[in-house]
Amino acid sequence: KAGVTQTPRYLIKTRGQQVTLSCSPISGHRSVSWYQQTPGQGLQFLFEYFSETQRNKGNFPGRFSGRQFSNSRSEMNVSTLELGDSALYLCASSPWTGTNYGYTFGSGTRLTVV
Amino acid sequence: DAKTTQPTSMDCAEGRAANLPCNHSTISGNEYVYWYRQIHSQGPQYIIHGLKNNETNEMASLIITEDRKSSTLILPHATLRDTAVYYCIVRSHGSSNTGKLIFGQGTTLQVKP
Repeated sequence: KAGVTQTPRYLIKTRGQQVTLSCSPISGHRSVSWYQQTPGQGLQFLFEYFSETQRNKGNFPGRFSGRQFSNSRSEMNVSTLELGDSALYLCASSPWTGTNYGYTFGSGTRLTVV
Repeated sequence: DAKTTQPTSMDCAEGRAANLPCNHSTISGNEYVYWYRQIHSQGPQYIIHGLKNNETNEMASLIITEDRKSSTLILPHATLRDTAVYYCIVRSHGSSNTGKLIFGQGTTLQVKP
């Protein structure tokens, strides 16, 4: 079956712009989590959505937001981009939330802010 | 902050067993030990997890000490494709924790021919 699909794979944006990243989970998976990976901070949790509701949020400013649709697809948005937002953004899906499941990650979207 | 401590890097000869240690001395009774790996430029890949019993699957074995303060991930016959960063994570199950995984810096495993 198809894995977690993230689009686009690469993105270049200018400071001050906004960006929207998309994640399509594995079919039947209802939980989608987002992570930011940078060389300095490593992998950091952004937020998780389950059944269209945000269930948990990491320590990121309000410029980072997300949503989940009824088909479990999720988007994350970053407004007023800063150079420090350059990172690999990963999403992960799971059949459920908070229970005995491993998370399947996508290959990520590499965002470069110039 | 991550609740685990791992060596920064390790080498292993191809075909030999790779034993990756992890210390989690403050682990709580309801926390599981998870292992993920990340091959360069890809998303992390789930390997295995366990609570207190040793676990084995097609990829690896997980050995958890009786006091649960440390564990070892074993790749029985390492190949060059196992070269990756390996993350040991502790997390509890239950709705309050949801999908949050706290990654440390991990161990970079280099499998050499």
